[in-house]
Amino acid sequence: DAKTTQPPSMDCAEGRAANLPCNHSTISGNEYVYWYRQIHSQGPQYIIHGLKNNETNEMASLIITEDRKSSTLILPHATLRDTAVYYCIVSLGGKLIFGQGTELSVKP
Amino acid sequence: KAGVTQTPRYLIKTRGQQVTLSCSPISGHRSVSWYQQTPGQGLQFLFEYFSETQRNKGNFPGRFSGRQFSNSRSEMNVSTLELGDSALYLCASSLAGGAGGYTFGSGTRLTVV
Repeated sequence: DAKTTQPPSMDCAEGRAANLPCNHSTISGNEYVYWYRQIHSQGPQYIIHGLKNNETNEMASLIITEDRKSSTLILPHATLRDTAVYYCIVSLGGKLIFGQGTELSVKP
Repeated sequence: KAGVTQTPRYLIKTRGQQVTLSCSPISGHRSVSWYQQTPGQGLQFLFEYFSETQRNKGNFPGRFSGRQFSNSRSEMNVSTLELGDSALYLCASSLAGGAGGYTFGSGTRLTVV
């Protein structure tokens, strides 16, 4: 079973920040938090991952709480092309257990 | 750089047949994993290979098998196909067990009739 809990769906206005939450209260000390997204049955696309510290790359920012029991993926300026299913996964690597994810709809 | 290549893209097979799917990872990636995606079950982990050795295995019957070659290319085989095996099969590669994230291929769409 997936070790994460995400809202099934969210809406976001184009140009605004999209904040996608994820709960992972049973995460162990050496498990990473990964975020992937999948657009209409294409292969999932890696977005970002982190262990303890907040991370930022060209796509997004990842904010992990100090107790590591939850995290938030931030897409700073959402576009229509960001409409996708977003998956939050905790893993040691080597095996990704996908939950149902959050279906993000970016609207004009 | 070239991405993860999966062949074929589409496949139609009859119940009882067997099928072999191929995955060529990104150059330099030594870890390859396989996933099955269906509307009902979502994305499910099948197995992971690293340096020709299976390191992790998901909860699938023995009809599902795989292997990895010395050039890191991987194949998965499904024997005695059932209707329920119809799915999108995805392959992902990484440098070593997820370090830096996994890159997924576009998948093979298998239809069993």
